[in-house]
Amino acid sequence: EDQVTQSPEALRLQEGESSSLNCSYTVSGLRGLFWYRQDPGKGPEFLFTLYSAGEEKEKERLKATLTKKESFLHITAPKPEDSATYLCAVINDYKLSFGAGTTVTVRA
Amino acid sequence: EAGVAQSPRYKIIEKRQSVAFWCNPISGHATLYWYQQILGQGPKLLIQFQNNGVVDDSQLPKDRFSAERLKGVDSTLKIQPAKLEDSAVYLCASSSRDTLNQPQHFGDGTRLSIL
Repeated sequence: EDQVTQSPEALRLQEGESSSLNCSYTVSGLRGLFWYRQDPGKGPEFLFTLYSAGEEKEKERLKATLTKKESFLHITAPKPEDSATYLCAVINDYKLSFGAGTTVTVRA
Repeated sequence: EAGVAQSPRYKIIEKRQSVAFWCNPISGHATLYWYQQILGQGPKLLIQFQNNGVVDDSQLPKDRFSAERLKGVDSTLKIQPAKLEDSAVYLCASSSRDTLNQPQHFGDGTRLSIL
């Protein structure tokens, strides 16, 4: 059965303190992986799609990378506005499966 | 570009009552999805439409949940009768193509509380 596990569940950072979030997966026939950001009371907001191992994508202070078994979301010098829950989702031939998310809190 | 619109934002009902949610996708998006997100979990797909037709409803509890997408635009999701475990946020998403690796754009959801 396909599994998507995100760690840690929660992460508290000081402003400017860089860190990484992990999304590990076991899925047959991986077609791609999404990263989304979700603010409280809002729907997920699309950040990145990664399609193959070795691929990297960047947007402002965020950088996503993909290997054959996991993806990392690196947050460089975070600001309080980066506080949110970050969700990853893996795509195989027939469905999209989300992890439970990592809730990031950045203190000023 | 207007985003995915959902209503109502909040709904409180008693168990065994019925409830309906409405979704208007981004203009021109042929594919529409309904997800259930329980507190502390990621979204779980309930049903996927391509225009008017159902592509995947394998995880929809069909004894109590139903969904339709008339004219290939708006969609409604209904629960009848509701159970306590249906308390969740119901998210609607749309994408421009029917391939799963096309990013989905989400509405802000309807938060359902069952008393």
